[in-house]
Amino acid sequence: ETGVTQTPRHLVMGMTNKKSLKCEQHLGHNAMYWYKQSAKKPLELMFVYSLEERVENNSVPSRFSPECPNSSHLFLHLHTLQPEDSALYLCASSQDLGGTYSGANVLTFGAGSRLTVL
Amino acid sequence: AQSVTQLGSHVSVSEGALVLLRCNYSSSVPPYLFWYVQYPNQGLQLLLKYTTGATLVKGINGFEAEFKKSETSFHLTKPSAHMSDAAEYFCAVNPSGNTPLVFGKGTRLSVIA
Repeated sequence: ETGVTQTPRHLVMGMTNKKSLKCEQHLGHNAMYWYKQSAKKPLELMFVYSLEERVENNSVPSRFSPECPNSSHLFLHLHTLQPEDSALYLCASSQDLGGTYSGANVLTFGAGSRLTVL
Repeated sequence: AQSVTQLGSHVSVSEGALVLLRCNYSSSVPPYLFWYVQYPNQGLQLLLKYTTGATLVKGINGFEAEFKKSETSFHLTKPSAHMSDAAEYFCAVNPSGNTPLVFGKGTRLSVIA
């Protein structure tokens, strides 16, 4: 497989459940990102990892917990979510962080995980 | 703070007609500018980007955008729309520095046969 792969593509969970979203990239990139995409709102950057170290956490509630065990894998652990957390969660990667911030390289996105919280 | 404004959440054009999607940004320094496209049930993919040099940037699928500093704009155009262009289009900006991309809210393009 190539590119950025996200699983599951669709997830329905209750407010008391615990679930995880998985992202895997096969591009040899060193930086990985979680974005939240809600209708009629700009993409919201949630977390940024560079070389498995978290470098950005944009005031995301603690019910979202990221994990980056290696540079190819990124997880988003979910627990006690709220209905307003229903959204498309996008994972992305880039060659490195500095290049992305400088505009020299670009983000490669996965297809997303559509989350519905009941 | 950086911001990106995409005028019109939904644009509808006839097949073969000109496509114009508007993007304005606020930036205190010359920014880097991007257009991404999202087809149904897919992630975002890069259409084109402006970093330095020529202000008219050509991208994939016949799209191009022009950086106009005086107007703080980076509008996306395509001379002739095709049905396969129906998608959501996102403008994004980051200033030269240690900050991540800021995305606009997106514009959904519909192409009518």
